[in-house]
Amino acid sequence: AQKITQTQPGMFVQEKEAVTLDCTYDTSDPSYGLFWYKQPSSGEMIFLIYQGSYDQQNATEGRYSLNFQKARKSANLVISASQLGDSAMYFCAMREGESNTGKLIFGQGTTLQVKP
Amino acid sequence: EPEVTQTPSHQVTQMGQEVILRCVPISNHLYFYWYRQILGQKVEFLVSFYNNEISEKSEIFDDQFSVERPDGSNFTLKIRSTKLEDSAMYFCASSPTSGNGDTQYFGPGTRLTVL
Repeated sequence: AQKITQTQPGMFVQEKEAVTLDCTYDTSDPSYGLFWYKQPSSGEMIFLIYQGSYDQQNATEGRYSLNFQKARKSANLVISASQLGDSAMYFCAMREGESNTGKLIFGQGTTLQVKP
Repeated sequence: EPEVTQTPSHQVTQMGQEVILRCVPISNHLYFYWYRQILGQKVEFLVSFYNNEISEKSEIFDDQFSVERPDGSNFTLKIRSTKLEDSAMYFCASSPTSGNGDTQYFGPGTRLTVL
């Protein structure tokens, strides 16, 4: 079974609108971390936001927020007030286990295009 | 802001040749990683490294691969005899060890093309 599933290969959003990128995960470990990374066309991987499995509140970082629904095993990324520079591939990733230094398991990614 | 750097940005090599990909992690980080991304596919973990030894490796990281921290700043990935299927973007990442949810910060990647 896939550990991280991103079901939207591509998404469009109008500039200044909000968009939600879906991510579901599968783990039996009670301790895990969830990450979102942005990969622009230039190729680098840019960290956006982190959510720990024991965190009571949804993570927020500027225009990014993570809609964490533990019972549903989903960790959707919400980008508010989309900008043209948000056009990129977005990857959801999970780290399992107590260790803060374990490997990341990535989803297939979602390509987001922001329309002017 | 400190960042992970990688050299070269693009490497072209002939099948069967050895390549060394170089990375300079963020200076106060202690854990280092290599990932790869075949074009159009997801990012895959290769290996993690701490305290001068491999912490974990994936099944992709076979005997053709090795990692080294030759000095206090560089972290290298060597592929001894490259195959066509090694063509990919290779990312180095590093993370600190304190606190929860230590984020792995990625370098810009090295695009390896094996001909």
